[in-house]
Amino acid sequence: AQTVTQSQPEMSVQEAETVTLSCTYDTSESNYYLFWYKQPPSRQMILVIRQEAYKQQNATENRFSVNFQKAAKSFSLKISDSQLGDTAMYFCASRQGGSEKLVFGKGTKLTVNP
Amino acid sequence: DTGVSQDPRHKITKRGQNVTFRCDPISEHNRLYWYRQTLGQGPEFLTYFQNEAQLEKSRLLSDRFSAERPKGSFSTLEIQRTEQGDSAMYLCASSLEGTGTQYFGPGTRLTVL
Repeated sequence: AQTVTQSQPEMSVQEAETVTLSCTYDTSESNYYLFWYKQPPSRQMILVIRQEAYKQQNATENRFSVNFQKAAKSFSLKISDSQLGDTAMYFCASRQGGSEKLVFGKGTKLTVNP
Repeated sequence: DTGVSQDPRHKITKRGQNVTFRCDPISEHNRLYWYRQTLGQGPEFLTYFQNEAQLEKSRLLSDRFSAERPKGSFSTLEIQRTEQGDSAMYLCASSLEGTGTQYFGPGTRLTVL
């Protein structure tokens, strides 16, 4: 079965600093995709970044980057130069190659403090 | 590109009533998904459509739940004989086949009294 685990229910960071959110996953497939989604308070879920398992290079999107450790089944999200607008729930998700189903973790609530 | 829209945004109903939610995907997206999110949890997959065909269903989708996408555009999710345990946020997402990225709507929050 496909599982995603986020071990940090809540985190906080000072504005302009760097924070890393952890995610581990388990899958029996060799072809899969990993995602980080952001859900701001009372707003809709937005894709932050995605990683294809076959790619060795870690994905980056502006201030957001991932550390994809395939052997360890770890997929952490690093947010650099944190901004107040980064305050949100962050969900890690995986999708196996043969399915359209996204499997989500329970989320990490990130608060950026001024 | 107006994004995924859902209607209504909030629904309060009494136990035993039927409710129906609507989702309009991004216009060129041929895949549409339904998820359910309860408080403190990540979204859970319910079902997905490619065009008008329902291709995958979760075991979470009991026989009280039915989803349709009759013309391959908008979709409806109906819950019959609602129970208090159905209280949740119902999220819709869409994607373009081959791109792999799902775009989410704002959700419909259902409260069953």
